[in-house]
Amino acid sequence: AQSVTQPDIHITVSEGASLELRCNYSYGATPYLFWYVQSPGQGLQLLLKYFSGDTLVQGIKGFEAEFKRSQSSFNLRKPSVHWSDAAEYFCAVGAQGAGSYQLTFGKGTKLSVIP
Amino acid sequence: EPEVTQTPSHQVTQMGQEVILRCVPISNHLYFYWYRQILGQKVEFLVSFYNNEISEKSEIFDDQFSVERPDGSNFTLKIRSTKLEDSAMYFCASNGGFSGANVLTFGAGSRLTVL
Repeated sequence: AQSVTQPDIHITVSEGASLELRCNYSYGATPYLFWYVQSPGQGLQLLLKYFSGDTLVQGIKGFEAEFKRSQSSFNLRKPSVHWSDAAEYFCAVGAQGAGSYQLTFGKGTKLSVIP
Repeated sequence: EPEVTQTPSHQVTQMGQEVILRCVPISNHLYFYWYRQILGQKVEFLVSFYNNEISEKSEIFDDQFSVERPDGSNFTLKIRSTKLEDSAMYFCASNGGFSGANVLTFGAGSRLTVL
């Protein structure tokens, strides 16, 4: 069965600083990997996804993530954080089930941004 | 951009009462899901639904839960006799269609509080 680990529960960065959120996954085959963001009172919004091909993927809001098979990682990065990026970030791995498509999520990393 | 819509956004109920959470998936999507997130824990898969029947379900989805697509647009989750431990955020999601089949679009969630 697949699993996702997000080692950092809470990260605080200053506005304008760079950001890296860690994600490690366990999955037997080539994974489909996702990052979702949840702002307070909002749903889960897809930031970016990796299915195949180029291991560096670009997403919305200036985020990118790099798939490293050898490290089973899919870390999320942003070169310069904005105050509006404060939210909770979830890494997920996808698997095709018997007929549907399931996501297994990590516990999430809460990002706080200091002005 | 198409959205998944969930109602209510917050419901408070007494233990033992029945609750129905409603969702309107994206119109051309074929698969529908419920996930839940207990406060401070992971987002967990509950059930998937396709072609008017349950496609897969997790061990969490026991006999007190049921799902239904009563008409062409709504997708509901019913909890027959709520328990304290059912307090959580419940997310509806959908996917499938002509593109992005492996990407789930989530609603904003329905927060259920059982007293």
